[in-house]
Amino acid sequence: QVQLQESGPGLVKPSGTLSLTCAVSGGSISSRNWWSWVRQPPGKGLEWIGEIYHIGNTNYNPSLKSRVTISVDKSKNHFSLKLTSVTAADTAVYYCASRSWHFDYWGQGTLVTVSS
Amino acid sequence: EIVMTQSPATLSVSPGERATLSCRASQSVSSNLAWYQQKPGQAPRLLIYGASTRATGIPARFSGSGSGTEFTFTISSLQSEDFAVYYCQQYNIWPFTFGPGTKVDIK
Repeated sequence: QVQLQESGPGLVKPSGTLSLTCAVSGGSISSRNWWSWVRQPPGKGLEWIGEIYHIGNTNYNPSLKSRVTISVDKSKNHFSLKLTSVTAADTAVYYCASRSWHFDYWGQGTLVTVSS
Repeated sequence: EIVMTQSPATLSVSPGERATLSCRASQSVSSNLAWYQQKPGQAPRLLIYGASTRATGIPARFSGSGSGTEFTFTISSLQSEDFAVYYCQQYNIWPFTFGPGTKVDIK
């Protein structure tokens, strides 16, 4: 069974760059899955950020596309998220997830707070 | 972008009773709809995909139906561990979108 684990700084300054990594275990990142990022502001709903396939194809949410980059490192079996020019509105729990069609496996999530 | 709406926002149910949740899409998503359960401090958990197929290990008391723009999720007899927030999500068209959630709490 695939397991996912997010890691990265829990605090980012306004106008800075949020960087997170998702380690994949129990399976190869070069499988048929897409690898996604989803976020959830405190007390609010879920927002899909974007995804990557192991050969590098990406899809992004248009609402974030200008600020988001998702990349994959097959040698480390992990994928990463970068979100630039962050504001307080980007404060959220960030989840990584795997998707065949639906999101079948999720990481536990990591809270990222944007504050000076 | 496809907008997903859910009703009701909150559903108060007694243990053992039936709970019926609704999800509507602003345009057809065919059967490319999933339901997730989320408890406080936890990641969402996949319950239903393809509008009506239970994910691995999901009890039979959970069921889903519908296609196109109208979907229903039912818990036939609520157990104590079922009190949570439930989200629908379409994966028919990018960007993938979630409904705002229905909170099922104890009556």
